[in-house]
Amino acid sequence: DAGVTQSPTHLIKTRGQQVTLRCSPKSGHDTVSWYQQALGQGPQFIFQYYEEEERQRGNFPDRFSGHQFPNYSSELNVNALLLGDSALYLCASSPLRSGTISFYGYTFGSGTRLTVV
Amino acid sequence: ELKVEQNPLFLSMQEGKNYTIYCNYSTTSDRLYWYRQDPGKSLESLFVLLSNGAVKQEGRLMASLDTKARLSTLHITAAVHDLSATYFCAVVPFQGAQKLVFGQGTRLTINP
Repeated sequence: DAGVTQSPTHLIKTRGQQVTLRCSPKSGHDTVSWYQQALGQGPQFIFQYYEEEERQRGNFPDRFSGHQFPNYSSELNVNALLLGDSALYLCASSPLRSGTISFYGYTFGSGTRLTVV
Repeated sequence: ELKVEQNPLFLSMQEGKNYTIYCNYSTTSDRLYWYRQDPGKSLESLFVLLSNGAVKQEGRLMASLDTKARLSTLHITAAVHDLSATYFCAVVPFQGAQKLVFGQGTRLTINP
């Protein structure tokens, strides 16, 4: 049973460029959340998608946007990249029809390491 | 706004010793999670604590929750090298919230 899968695993982009990160949730999960983890810090919530809609958003600018597809997979898009966007981006999924964080928490993917130069 | 603070942030200890990591949070919450992260890897769920006085144990790790004090502890008994990792606590900020608020993490190094 595949867990949460993310692609790519590593990415190097130039300041000002745009990037798209992808996530497939664990089988049986329909809710996808994205987190940004800067080096040496705890993950910070970007937003959550459920039923193809953004349900809640953290304190991130509009340069960060997302999408969820009918098969529950999700994309995170970041426009006009800044050096400070360099981080590990984690996707997390929650069980079917939960619409919220299940009592058992999230299942996290291995992340995409984004480096902006 | 909910704040979650862990201490210590760095902990170096010898195998066989016991130690405790503390997690304080600033507002009422009904759920607290502990995660483990190895370098360059994702987050592995360790425990979920749902009520005041909850205690969970897995191997050499034991977690507890005191909702009145807004404090959770992660106790390590007779540490072994394999437990070296960064440990995070995370709190749901309010009922129905869609996010977890994480502490800064405690980097634990266990030396032979």
